[in-house]
Amino acid sequence: AQSVTQLDSQVPVFEEAPVELRCNYSSSVSVYLFWYVQYPNQGLQLLLKYLSGSTLVKGINGFEAEFNKSQTSFHLRKPSVHISDTAEYFCAVSEINNDMRFGAGTRLTVKP
Amino acid sequence: GAVVSQHPSWVICKSGTSVKIECRSLDFQATTMFWYRQFPKKSLMLMATSNEGSKATYEQGVEKDKFLINHASLTLSTLTVTSAHPEDSSFYICSARGAGSNYGYTFGSGTRLTVV
Repeated sequence: AQSVTQLDSQVPVFEEAPVELRCNYSSSVSVYLFWYVQYPNQGLQLLLKYLSGSTLVKGINGFEAEFNKSQTSFHLRKPSVHISDTAEYFCAVSEINNDMRFGAGTRLTVKP
Repeated sequence: GAVVSQHPSWVICKSGTSVKIECRSLDFQATTMFWYRQFPKKSLMLMATSNEGSKATYEQGVEKDKFLINHASLTLSTLTVTSAHPEDSSFYICSARGAGSNYGYTFGSGTRLTVV
């Protein structure tokens, strides 16, 4: 079965600094990859997803992620963060026609 | 885009009572529904997967008699927490997936359950 590891539980950064949230996955077959953001007491909002094609995926709010099959990674990046980006970020993986599994989450805190 | 409506958004109930959470796909047919549970400051843990018209498949460690899942139609799935106890307090989120090539999961907004 598929699984995903988010390497950093907390990432503090200053406003306007770049950020990278790391995600590695494990699967024996082809997968789909997702990044979600969750604000306190709210559901999940999809930031971006990789299904196939270009390995560089652009999402909402200026985020992007790169699928690296050889390193089984799907790291999320943003060149300049805002205070409003403070939230919990989840990486998720799904094997085709299978359920979705989530990483433990990374708490991004943007400081002024 | 695809929308999933989850109700209620929050509920407080007494120990021993049962609570039903509904998840509806508003503009697509949800052939598969997933139910997740999220503990405070933790990730989402898959509880069960249900296909319309079939019995739900529960993950290991999830009590099927406590967490009853019904997926009787292509637009509605329900999760009933039976004989709720304080340890069942959590954030429950549903996710729906439709058929077709536009592969994607749509999440509900979640239900905060507090058992007192």
